Amino acid sequence: GENVEQHPSTLSVQEGDSAVIKCTYSDSASNYFPWYKQELGKGPQLIIDIRSNVGEKKDQRIAVTLNKTAKHFSLHITETQPEDSAVYFCAASPRYVVTGGGNKLTFGTGTQLKVEL
Amino acid sequence: DTEVTQTPKHLVMGMTNKKSLKCEQHMGHRAMYWYKQKAKKPPELMFVYSYEKLSINESVPSRFSPECPNSSLLNLHLHALQPEDSALYLCASSSSGGPRGATQYFGPGTRLTVL
Repeated sequence: GENVEQHPSTLSVQEGDSAVIKCTYSDSASNYFPWYKQELGKGPQLIIDIRSNVGEKKDQRIAVTLNKTAKHFSLHITETQPEDSAVYFCAASPRYVVTGGGNKLTFGTGTQLKVEL
Repeated sequence: DTEVTQTPKHLVMGMTNKKSLKCEQHMGHRAMYWYKQKAKKPPELMFVYSYEKLSINESVPSRFSPECPNSSLLNLHLHALQPEDSALYLCASSSSGGPRGATQYFGPGTRLTVL
């Protein structure tokens, strides 16, 4: 099965700096890579995702890069703000695994991001 | 609207109780999921329903019993739970096909405490 490793486990940055979180995956059949942000006491919120036919995707201050050859993908947050403080999870999945639809996400272990004033 | 709702937000139950968790979505998604999340850990998949049929059961103990009564609702029936079952239970949904078929949207979760 798929195995996703995520680093670092904790990351502390000053407000306005950039933050980078890296993930590696093992299954070459994986072709969908979402990133979730989870604030304390809340469910994971999708912030950006990328599919394997794309190398980079940006949405305002957030970008994700994917290197299929090396089987790794990264989340980049620029101009960090205190409200970016949360736990971030990467995940990997083949697009469709479930008969009839749906998929099976394998999550990384999470990164606690703290943005300090 | 990408909202998945879950009730109740918090639940405390004894080991002999029977309770149910509820999840609802109105995005027209035909795949729905239950996850369990322990503190400081990633979500762990428990069940997947596709078109109201159970598609994946990740070897979950029978004290957890899922039900999908229609395309918008997902229940998780709980009976004879153990204290180690205390966790955040998350529901998610996704569309079942097309280029956006893989995107899962999560609800806020039910915080379950088993005494």
